[in-house]
Amino acid sequence: EIVLTQSPGTLSLSPGEGATLSCRASQSVSNNYLAWYQQRPGQAPRLLIYGASSRVNGLPHRFSGSGSGTDFTLTISRLEPEDFAVYYCQQYGNSVYTFGQGTKVEIK
Amino acid sequence: QVQLQESGPGLVKPSETLSLTCAVSGYSISSGHYWGWVRQPPGKGLEWIGNIYHSGTTDYKSSLKSRVTISVDRSMNQFSLKLTSVTAADTAVYYCVHGYSISSPFDPWGQGTLVTVSS
Repeated sequence: EIVLTQSPGTLSLSPGEGATLSCRASQSVSNNYLAWYQQRPGQAPRLLIYGASSRVNGLPHRFSGSGSGTDFTLTISRLEPEDFAVYYCQQYGNSVYTFGQGTKVEIK
Repeated sequence: QVQLQESGPGLVKPSETLSLTCAVSGYSISSGHYWGWVRQPPGKGLEWIGNIYHSGTTDYKSSLKSRVTISVDRSMNQFSLKLTSVTAADTAVYYCVHGYSISSPFDPWGQGTLVTVSS
C-alpha cells in the first residue's frame, strides 16, 4: 500500500500568514489522484482539493493544491480564523486508499 | 445532493461484532457511485476501512480484510459495515463516505458515530 507522509506535524501560524503543507507518497500516485481534506474539531472531514489541484465548488481561492507523482502541497495563502484545523491528504489512485497522518494548523 | 447518516450501537463488547448502517438520502444507491467506511480513533488520524462499488465488488484495508464486510441493502437505500472480533483498538468514530466514481475521492462524509469497545 502507498504510505503518505505529511509534514510538518503541526504548523503554528497567525491569521493572515500563509501556510504550506506537504504530503509525500512512498510511490507514485496513479493519475495524481491525491485529495486534501480539512477537519475542524468535532466535525467530519470535508473535501477541499481533488486530483492534486482541483478545488471543490465554493472553496475560497486562498486554498490551492499542487504537485505530482510523489510530492504534493496544499497552500493556504492567507489564513482566516476558520482555517485553523487539521488537514489530511489521501490517495485514491488504486484500490487500496490511504491517508496521511495529518497536519494540524494551529493559532500561534 | 447525497447525504449520509450513520447509525448503530455506541458500545460493543470485546470479541463481538460491530455493526453499523449508513442511510443514504438524495440519491438511489442502486444507480451507481461507490460507498465506503473510514474510522478515526480518538485523538488520532483517519483510517480507510473499505469500499463497495456499484458492481458489488468490495475493497478492504489489508489488515482488516479478515474481519470486515461491507454490503448494500438496495431496498432500504443503505449500506452497512460489519467488523468481527472487535478489541479496544477498534474504538473509533466511524464515518460512512460516498464517491462519485472509482476515480474520485470521498465526498460527502456522514457526521460520524462513536463506537466504544468495552466490557
